[in-house]
Amino acid sequence: RKEVEQDPGPFNVPEGATVAFNCTYSNSASQSFFWYRQDCRKEPKLLMSVYSSGNEDGRFTAQLNRASQYISLLIRDSKLSDSATYLCVVKGFQKLVFGTGTRLLVSP
Amino acid sequence: DTEVTQTPKHLVMGMTNKKSLKCEQHMGHRAMYWYKQKAKKPPELMFVYSYEKLSINESVPSRFSPECPNSSLLNLHLHALQPEDSALYLCASSQPILDTEAFFGQGTRLTVV
Repeated sequence: RKEVEQDPGPFNVPEGATVAFNCTYSNSASQSFFWYRQDCRKEPKLLMSVYSSGNEDGRFTAQLNRASQYISLLIRDSKLSDSATYLCVVKGFQKLVFGTGTRLLVSP
Repeated sequence: DTEVTQTPKHLVMGMTNKKSLKCEQHMGHRAMYWYKQKAKKPPELMFVYSYEKLSINESVPSRFSPECPNSSLLNLHLHALQPEDSALYLCASSQPILDTEAFFGQGTRLTVV
């Protein structure tokens, strides 16, 4: 079993749709959690950190459930520019471990 | 300045060549990372340096040799690589404390012929 797992997708949605991504992690000692976005042939870039109380940044909402070892990302009012791969990242013991990534395609 | 700079951006090398990848950051970060990314796969951790000391080696073959000359620089020395080592090599840096994100360089796209 991979340490951090995501549904690879692709998720094909129309502009304006709401889409949710899930991520599970196996190491209960994991300490910090992030969502990164990666465009084709580019480096990963931080989208948002994920806090236990849940947090929101504009159209993006992240949730963490430590008991279930589960992280989610909700994107509201999808834009064409949201098309990318979304990577769940778990940090602990000096490591940053990436999930398998979920590809999102937003169409007009 | 939230930038991690990697050079070169592209590299083609033969299986008998020796080359080096370079990474630089001036954010005062004391943790630096090398990742390898193959097409349509997530980045895979190779090495972690914490306070200029190698703290994690994810069982990487010895043909990859990391070096951290100072707190701003990270090198990856390459020797006798195989074609399957062709990939995007990403450098990242962060503070070695919890809840701090990592910043990534644009990567070096390596082709081994």
